[in-house]
Amino acid sequence: KQEVTQIPAALSVPEGENLVLNCSFTDSAIYNLQWFRQDPGKGLTSLLLIQSSQREQTSGRLNASLDKSSGRSTLYIAASQPGDSATYLCAVRKTGANNLFFGTGTRLTVIP
Amino acid sequence: EAGVTQFPSHSVIEKGQTVTLRCDPISGHDNLYWYRRVMGKEIKFLLHFVKESKQDESGMPNNRFLAERTGGTYSTLKVQPAELEDSGVYFCARDRGRGTKNIQYFGAGTRLSVL
Repeated sequence: KQEVTQIPAALSVPEGENLVLNCSFTDSAIYNLQWFRQDPGKGLTSLLLIQSSQREQTSGRLNASLDKSSGRSTLYIAASQPGDSATYLCAVRKTGANNLFFGTGTRLTVIP
Repeated sequence: EAGVTQFPSHSVIEKGQTVTLRCDPISGHDNLYWYRRVMGKEIKFLLHFVKESKQDESGMPNNRFLAERTGGTYSTLKVQPAELEDSGVYFCARDRGRGTKNIQYFGAGTRLSVL
């Protein structure tokens, strides 16, 4: 059974700060890992997908890393902005399966 | 653009009633998924369609839930009869399947409130 944990559950930072969100998973037999953001009342927006063979992916101010053997991923957000305020979710897809296993998310607030 | 439309956005029903949720993915996506988030918990998988066939329904909570995907296009999820514990947000997602990075794209969800 795959369990995904995200720490911290909530985070407040001043604008401009760099920050790291953490995700850990119990079963290292994963196919890929996706990071999403969710704004209140909205769906999930895919931010980055890392295949199991990759170590990191970058998109703009976002950088996601993956250490499959230790069951960890981090999402690094550089120079945070108020528009980054949202809930960030990590989800893993196990090898041989199609569905995603989600963490409970980190609610980020960037204070102007 | 997620390319997944869900409706209604919010449904309020009484215990014992029936509710049908609908998901319309853009065309050309064989894989369609249903997930659910109940209050305070993580999003959990319900089932997976490949075209019109149920590939995996291991996450369906019980036989009060019935999902269909007509002609491999839109999908419905019916709850009959609804119970209080069915309240939550139901998400639908799509991906292209084989040969892609398998990014799953999610709809905005349907918030179901059972009173």
